[in-house]
Amino acid sequence: ETGVTQSPTHLIKTRGQQVTLRCSSQSGHNTVSWYQQALGQGPQFIFQYYREEENGRGNFPPRFSGLQFPNYSSELNVNALELDDSALYLCASSLAGLAGGYNEQFFGPGTRLTVL
Amino acid sequence: AQSVSQHNHHVILSEAASLELGCNYSYGGTVNLFWYVQYPGQHLQLLLKYFSGDPLVKGIKGFEAEFIKSKFSFNLRKPSVQWSDTAEYFCAANAGNNRKLIWGLGTSLAVNP
Repeated sequence: ETGVTQSPTHLIKTRGQQVTLRCSSQSGHNTVSWYQQALGQGPQFIFQYYREEENGRGNFPPRFSGLQFPNYSSELNVNALELDDSALYLCASSLAGLAGGYNEQFFGPGTRLTVL
Repeated sequence: AQSVSQHNHHVILSEAASLELGCNYSYGGTVNLFWYVQYPGQHLQLLLKYFSGDPLVKGIKGFEAEFIKSKFSFNLRKPSVQWSDTAEYFCAANAGNNRKLIWGLGTSLAVNP
């Protein structure tokens, strides 16, 4: 166990709906990264939050948005859901320093989203 | 664009066989390299990582990987696999000061008892 939790574990939505996924980071971590993992694929980087601000974004449209709270937990919001949004959404937390650079990421179990 | 490619998508081995999974990355500068494992029904776990220093890194559960800069490779190895090594294996890279991880597509390993 990494100490990173995600909720819900499974979710079924229909096209056009909106969804919010939640992540609680490991104690002491200040950075949360979100990934989308489609079936049979590797994780794709969505974005990262560091100290409540977006700190890097992958090739995902603006309908994918996020938040990080003062306790460093995070939300991923997806508007206007499409069928292709069906995937496992992974959250990873890490402790990043002010100097930047990479720090080991610890993953949660993921939220399985199905869009019908 | 930065990318990570894994050579084998599906590998089937018998117990005690040796394992080598290929990984190549496309980035010419400083790079950090990782192998993650995802056991059935479990979350991603870090097997091993390379940041600098000795290019032969040892990870958990008897796995090791060798960073060969001239070949842009970071292949994962294990001398003798066990049934419990059945899992999905992902190679990932992080370029220099970037906090973003670039992932390969993964290799599904099935070990027959």
